[in-house]
Amino acid sequence: AQSVAQPEDQVNVAEGNPLTVKCTYSVSGNPYLFWYVQYPNRGLQFLLKYITGDNLVKGSYGFEAEFNKSQTSFHLKKPSALVSDSALYFCAVRVVYNFNKFYFGSGTKLNVKP
Amino acid sequence: DGGITQSPKYLFRKEGQNVTLSCEQNLNHDAMYWYRQDPGQGLRLIYYSQIVNDFQKGDIAEGYSVSREKKESFPLTVTSAQKNPTAFYLCASSIPEYSNQPQHFGDGTRLSIL
Repeated sequence: AQSVAQPEDQVNVAEGNPLTVKCTYSVSGNPYLFWYVQYPNRGLQFLLKYITGDNLVKGSYGFEAEFNKSQTSFHLKKPSALVSDSALYFCAVRVVYNFNKFYFGSGTKLNVKP
Repeated sequence: DGGITQSPKYLFRKEGQNVTLSCEQNLNHDAMYWYRQDPGQGLRLIYYSQIVNDFQKGDIAEGYSVSREKKESFPLTVTSAQKNPTAFYLCASSIPEYSNQPQHFGDGTRLSIL
């Protein structure tokens, strides 16, 4: 069965400090990996994706993500957090053999304090 | 600008009533999806459609119905058989033939029971 895990319901970080939001996955075949952000009462916004190639992917708003195949992880990172980064973050995976379905993690609430 | 429009933003349902949530996209995407979001549970797939006049059940289809008569439109009906319909409903679309592309989301409809 395909699955995505976000082990932390909530991450707290001070403004200006680096942040990491964790994601691990279990899929058959090669995954396509995505991060999305959701603000209150809004839809999900695409941040970045990993397809192939460089394990460090850069995305919108200064976010980046590190793909680790041996650990089946795709952690979201940012060198210096902003209060405006406070939101709900979702990791998602799309598999090649059934690329019409996306599998989502349960979400991680990021709180950035001034 | 292209995007997905969901309406209404807030909807109230009486006991025994069916309600329909609208989802319209102008992205020319073939695939469309409906998700239900409950606090702490992430996104759960209700139905998805890969092409006009075709759709498949997702993980939690009971108590819901859909139609796909036009490429641009994918309405969701929450029937009286759905006993716990209070949730945030998200519509999404994607390009099915390019699996490295993310989904695009609307801004959701929040459904509550009167």
